[in-house]
Amino acid sequence: KQEVTQIPAALSVPEGENLVLNCSFTDSAIYNLQWFRQDPGKGLTSLLLIQSSQREQTSGRLNASLDKSSGRSTLYIAASQPGDSATYLCAVRRGIDYGQNFVFGPGTRLSVLP
Amino acid sequence: GAVVSQHPSRVICKSGTSVKIECRSLDFQATTMFWYRQFPKQSLMLMATSNEGSKATYEQGVEKDKFLINHASLTLSTLTVTSAHPEDSSFYICSARGDRGLTEAFFGQGTRLTVV
Repeated sequence: KQEVTQIPAALSVPEGENLVLNCSFTDSAIYNLQWFRQDPGKGLTSLLLIQSSQREQTSGRLNASLDKSSGRSTLYIAASQPGDSATYLCAVRRGIDYGQNFVFGPGTRLSVLP
Repeated sequence: GAVVSQHPSRVICKSGTSVKIECRSLDFQATTMFWYRQFPKQSLMLMATSNEGSKATYEQGVEKDKFLINHASLTLSTLTVTSAHPEDSSFYICSARGDRGLTEAFFGQGTRLTVV
């Protein structure tokens, strides 16, 4: 059974710092991995999607890497801003078949202080 | 990206009543929709998966008679929480996958259900 963990559970940093969020999964047979942002009481915003054959994806100040063999992904946020404060979730998919949907990690709660 | 609209965003209901939550794909046909539940400070847990025109498949521990899912069209799925109890209070999120490619699923905004 796939299990996804995220470290740290919570993180508080001053504005401008670069930071790394970690995601680990137990079964390396994944189809893809996706990083999401969730603001309090809100739905999910997709940040980056990495296919199993890829090693990293970049969007603006965000960079996500994937090491499938070791079951790890990192989300790197450069020059953090107060607007980045949110919970960040990583999720893995086993396949595109019916029912093969996401397994989510518990999230990292990020606070960026002005 | 594709847009998935979920309604209502918040609902408060009395114990014993039923609540319906709608999930619509606005600009694509959603052949598969997923319903998740998220309790405070916990991650999202998949409740059920539905294909258009078929019965939903429920995850272990989710009561199918309590959480009724209807996926009658390619753009609409509904989740009805029947005979709601306070312990059903949670955040419910749908996601949809469809003809825009199978690599990505798109999420609704979520519904905060409070049962009093």
